[in-house]
Amino acid sequence: IAGITQAPTSQILAAGRRMTLRCTQDMRHNAMYWYRQDLGLGLRLIHYSNTAGTTGKGEVPDGYSVSRANTDDFPLTLASAVPSQTSVYFCASSPGGHQPQHFGDGTRLSIL
Amino acid sequence: QKEVEQDPGPLSVPEGAIVSLNCTYSNSAFQYFMWYRQYSRKGPELLMYTYSSGNKEDGRFTAQVDKSSKYISLFIRDSQPSDSATYLCAMSPTGRRALTFGSGTRLQVQP
Repeated sequence: IAGITQAPTSQILAAGRRMTLRCTQDMRHNAMYWYRQDLGLGLRLIHYSNTAGTTGKGEVPDGYSVSRANTDDFPLTLASAVPSQTSVYFCASSPGGHQPQHFGDGTRLSIL
Repeated sequence: QKEVEQDPGPLSVPEGAIVSLNCTYSNSAFQYFMWYRQYSRKGPELLMYTYSSGNKEDGRFTAQVDKSSKYISLFIRDSQPSDSATYLCAMSPTGRRALTFGSGTRLQVQP
């Protein structure tokens, strides 16, 4: 079934550790996005990529980095995790333009 | 103040009821409007997608956009227990693909 795969599904991480969240899509979508979802705050954009080889900052980019080496993969890295990064992280993709975004099922990350 | 406001609920209705979910927004540049449904421990799933003002119907779901009032609505007819989920509104302006989301309304449909 075509869609977005995120890994891991959940993780508990010690503060200060480095962590990479993986996202792969098989729909050949040009654009990809990373959001975090926190209670009462909804989904907030961390980083995005309009096409392979390009990335941009969203609303809450600090402490996160991304890369887009090819069309299918868009990993999100926390260089040195802090407790405030405890959240549910969602990856999304869209064909481009203003086409709707499609989401994966998220990674639940707890930083202790 | 948030750009998009959405009542968190929970909204509890009996099976078969008509449900009305709403969002208000402050950015008059928003042109693209979406409703997503999110089940527990799952990702958001696109329900409705509209451009500018007007109505759009898809089965039991109707989306309305009133740009003059900066107000969007999602109506669910003949609600079912399987409609129990959190409903998120999302929107974006022309020229910017990233979405601005409401915080979501939790809906419970009682059998």
